[in-house]
Amino acid sequence: QVQLVQSGAEVKKPGASVKVSCKASGYTFTDYYMHWVRQAPGQGLEWMGWIDPNSGGTNYAQRFQGRVTMTRDTSISTAYMELNRLRSDDTAIYYCARVIVLLAGPGLDYWGQGTLVTVSS
Amino acid sequence: EIVLTQSPGTLSLSPGERATLSCRASQSISSYYLAWYQQKPGQAPRLLIYGASSRATGIPDRFSGGGSGTDFTLTISRLEPEDFAVYYCQQYGSSPTFGQGTKVEIK
Repeated sequence: QVQLVQSGAEVKKPGASVKVSCKASGYTFTDYYMHWVRQAPGQGLEWMGWIDPNSGGTNYAQRFQGRVTMTRDTSISTAYMELNRLRSDDTAIYYCARVIVLLAGPGLDYWGQGTLVTVSS
Repeated sequence: EIVLTQSPGTLSLSPGERATLSCRASQSISSYYLAWYQQKPGQAPRLLIYGASSRATGIPDRFSGGGSGTDFTLTISRLEPEDFAVYYCQQYGSSPTFGQGTKVEIK
């Protein structure tokens, strides 16, 4: 069965960096783009970007350009999201999610369990 | 960036009632790129609808989606207790965005 298992919770100081991992299993990792979505406490979903695990190509939301880097290691079927220069308003749950492209359209069909990143001095 | 505005913010209904949720886009989008998700407290979102009207695997047929252009709807024909949750629309263009969500709560 398809599973996305993310790394554990992190506590960081303002200005630091965080790197969250997302290990995929149950399918061919390089066949599906991976998206990253975050959710601040009590707030809605915010799209951050995607990575093509096959080519390593990326597309980031404009508001994260220059601060986020998405990478992958195909040998261990794992995607990574690194966010730099953390601020208190980066405190959120970070999700990875696989996108499936069906005949009628795309959708994020499998999600990781989420990783809570807390930014606090 | 395409902005998605969902209404109402909160919908208070009783089990068995019909729920109609709206998602309006700031510019026209292809129905192909419109999806809906359900999120319950403490859980990751779940894909309900893709391509504006196609149900994802395992989604009951009481959930239906429709619309085109800038106006899309998610309808739950008869609310079951497990349907009380927050619902998000998403457009999957070159720069995907989510709506701010509609909370469906028990009246």
